[in-house]
Amino acid sequence: ETGVTQTPRHLVMGMTNKKSLKCEQHLGHNAMYWYKQSAKKPLELMFVYNFKEQTENNSVPSRFSPECPNSSHLFLHLHTLQPEDSALYLCASSQDVVSGRPNNEQFFGPGTRLTVL
Amino acid sequence: AQTVTQSQPEMSVQEAETVTLSCTYDTSENNYYLFWYKQPPSRQMILVIRQEAYKQQNATENRFSVNFQKAAKSFSLKISDSQLGDTAMYFCAFMLRYNTDKLIFGTGTRLQVFP
Repeated sequence: ETGVTQTPRHLVMGMTNKKSLKCEQHLGHNAMYWYKQSAKKPLELMFVYNFKEQTENNSVPSRFSPECPNSSHLFLHLHTLQPEDSALYLCASSQDVVSGRPNNEQFFGPGTRLTVL
Repeated sequence: AQTVTQSQPEMSVQEAETVTLSCTYDTSENNYYLFWYKQPPSRQMILVIRQEAYKQQNATENRFSVNFQKAAKSFSLKISDSQLGDTAMYFCAFMLRYNTDKLIFGTGTRLQVFP
């Protein structure tokens, strides 16, 4: 596969469940991102990893736990979520996080549609 | 803090016609990038066009062009010769030049192209 892939594409979970979202990029990038996309709201940046190190945690509740074992894989571990966490979760990657580079385009995956009951 | 505003939640256009999507932003910085992303119903977000704030010339990519008005902090997207495949959500986004891990998005405009 090419580009950025995400699994599963759809996930329904109860508030007491534990689940994980997976993202994989095949672009040789070193930076990976998690975004939350809710209806009628701007995309919200959640986490940023650069060379496997977390460089950004945008005040995300601890029920969301990211993991980046290598530059190609990014996980989002979910536990005791709330119904308001239902959203589309998008993963993205870019070459890296380098100040001033003009072509640091972010490539997005198709997203995981999460529903919390 | 930087903000991005898209004031048109929905737009529609007939095939082969031209449509313009609006975007305004607010920043006190001088060096930044602006982007338009397209998210079709299949949901994969793709970059349509990019503008570097220090360049006065408006960016163009085939049927897509922008009208970048730096003083007015306006960044509109013009789609010429609209095609059915242009039906999608369009997001305007902002990124500081020296903070290239933070894309700030608007709320999006849903564009429907009719045959």
